[in-house]
Amino acid sequence: AQTVTQSQPEMSVQEAETVTLSCTYDTSESDYYLFWYKQPPSRQMILVIRQEAYKQQNATENRFSVNFQKAAKSFSLKISDSQLGDAAMYFCAQSQGAQKLVFGQGTRLTINP
Amino acid sequence: EADIYQTPRYLVIGTGKKITLECSQTMGHDKMYWYQQDPGMELHLIHYSYGVNSTEKGDLSSESTVSRIRTEHFPLTLESARPSHTSQYLCASSLRIPYNSPLHFGNGTRLTVT
Repeated sequence: AQTVTQSQPEMSVQEAETVTLSCTYDTSESDYYLFWYKQPPSRQMILVIRQEAYKQQNATENRFSVNFQKAAKSFSLKISDSQLGDAAMYFCAQSQGAQKLVFGQGTRLTINP
Repeated sequence: EADIYQTPRYLVIGTGKKITLECSQTMGHDKMYWYQQDPGMELHLIHYSYGVNSTEKGDLSSESTVSRIRTEHFPLTLESARPSHTSQYLCASSLRIPYNSPLHFGNGTRLTVT
């Protein structure tokens, strides 16, 4: 069975600094997909970044990048130059083929001005 | 901008009432989902659909039911609401292919059963 674990219930960072959110997962498959979603307070959940397991290169989207370690089954999210608008719940998620997405428990990120 | 719409945004209702939470999407997505989420907590999949006339139960046992008569519409019904149903309900949709298609979420319905 798929499992996704986020071991940091809460994180905080100073504005303009860099923060890394951790995520580990467990799967027996070799081909799968990984995602980070952001849920701002009282707003829609949106996709931040995604990674295909068969790609060795880490995905990057502007200030957001991932550190994908396939052997360790680790998929951390790095946010550079943190901004106040980055404050949100962040969810790591994994899917395999046509199967449904499995979410982690979430990490609440606070940005200190 | 939301291409997936949930109504109502907030609902307070008494125990025993029947309620239907609406979810519609205009993107032509085949796959649709309902998640239950307590504030600030993880998401639990309660129902999903791969297309018209397809519905499946998710990982979290739920007393709700869903229907998928039209591609764009995926309502969730509670026949008899109870205080334990108090939660936020998130609807989402995605393409069936490619497999890494992201989920698009609605704004959610925050349900309180008194």
